[in-house]
Amino acid sequence: KAGVTQTPRYLIKTRGQQVTLSCSPISGHRSVSWYQQTPGQGLQFLFEYFSETQRNKGNFPGRFSGRQFSNSRSEMNVSTLELGDSALYLCASSLDVWTGDGYTFGSGTRLTVV
Amino acid sequence: GNSVTQMEGPVTLSEEAFLTINCTYTATGYPSLFWYVQYPGEGLQLLLKATKADDKGSNKGFEATYRKETTSFHLEKGSVQVSDSAVYFCALSDDNAGNMLTFGGGTRLMVKP
Repeated sequence: KAGVTQTPRYLIKTRGQQVTLSCSPISGHRSVSWYQQTPGQGLQFLFEYFSETQRNKGNFPGRFSGRQFSNSRSEMNVSTLELGDSALYLCASSLDVWTGDGYTFGSGTRLTVV
Repeated sequence: GNSVTQMEGPVTLSEEAFLTINCTYTATGYPSLFWYVQYPGEGLQLLLKATKADDKGSNKGFEATYRKETTSFHLEKGSVQVSDSAVYFCALSDDNAGNMLTFGGGTRLMVKP
């Protein structure tokens, strides 16, 4: 079956702009989480959605937001981009809220802010 | 709060050498432990997992045992291959934090032929 699909793979934006990233989870998976990966901070949790509701949110400013649709697809938005937002953004999906079975990650969207 | 500490890399080994990557954790609840691997230009792939103390996770020749007494989950492989070159991440999630994963800083493994 298809894996977690993230679009676009690469993105270049200018400071001050906003950006929307998309994630389609594995069919049947209802939980979607987002992570930011940078060389300096490593992998950091952004937020998690289940059944269109945000369940958890990491320690990121309000410029970072997300949502989940009824088909479980998710989007995250970053407004007023800063240079430090340059990162690989990873989406992960899992069957349910807590299964302990691990999470399947997409290949990520690499965002460069110039 | 939760935290994961893993040995810094890079770890450079010759093909067929024995691999150990150390991982220790701090958690407030009863965590599940994971090892993920990231190949260049790709996302994370789940390598193995253990959900309770003394469980051993294994996959593709890699093994890790959940040691509650030492709060450790060290990754081992008896004979590494060039194709194992990647970055390895230890991670945990606990029942107090739902699906949120806490990652270690990652260890880059380089295997030379």
